Amino acid sequence: AQSVTQPDIHITVSEGASLELRCNYSYGATPYLFWYVQSPGQGLQLLLKYFSGDTLVQGIKGFEAEFKRSQSSFNLRKPSVHWSDAAEYFCAVVGYSSASKIIFGSGTRLSIRP
Amino acid sequence: DGGITQSPKYLFRKEGQNVTLSCEQNLNHDAMYWYRQDPGQGLRLIYYSQIVNDFQKGDIAEGYSVSREKKESFPLTVTSAQKNPTAFYLCASSSLSGSSTDTQYFGPGTRLTVL
Repeated sequence: AQSVTQPDIHITVSEGASLELRCNYSYGATPYLFWYVQSPGQGLQLLLKYFSGDTLVQGIKGFEAEFKRSQSSFNLRKPSVHWSDAAEYFCAVVGYSSASKIIFGSGTRLSIRP
Repeated sequence: DGGITQSPKYLFRKEGQNVTLSCEQNLNHDAMYWYRQDPGQGLRLIYYSQIVNDFQKGDIAEGYSVSREKKESFPLTVTSAQKNPTAFYLCASSSLSGSSTDTQYFGPGTRLTVL
């Protein structure tokens, strides 16, 4: 069965520091992979997605993610975080044959230290 | 302005009442979805629909019902049979063709509280 694991429940980084949020997936073939961000009380906004091709994907707000098949990972990175990046981040996977059903990780809450 | 709207933003319900949450999209998307989000948890799929007049149960459909009479609309009814309905409800939609296939776009959510 498909699954997504985000091992870090809560991460705090200083403003201006680099960020990496971890995501591991379980799926037999190459899945479609997504990162979403959610501000408190809001819906989810798509940051970036990977379907195929270049394994380094650029997204909005200066985020990028790298698909590593050998590690079944799709970690999200940002070279320098801003206070406005404080939010909940969700990794998600869609299997090609899953009728578009998306499986979400449990999320990582990001706090920014001034 | 294309997007997904959900109403109301906040909803209060007395025990034993049914309530309906609205979800409308003007993205011309084929598929629509309802998720439930509880504190500290990811999203769990309640129902989804890939075509008008057809819908499928998700992982936690008990106590909920939906309809899909129009492509743009996918209302969710939380019935009195749902034992713990207090949660944040998110609606999403996606295209089933083209370069954005399987990419789900979300509405702003409805927070339901049972009094």
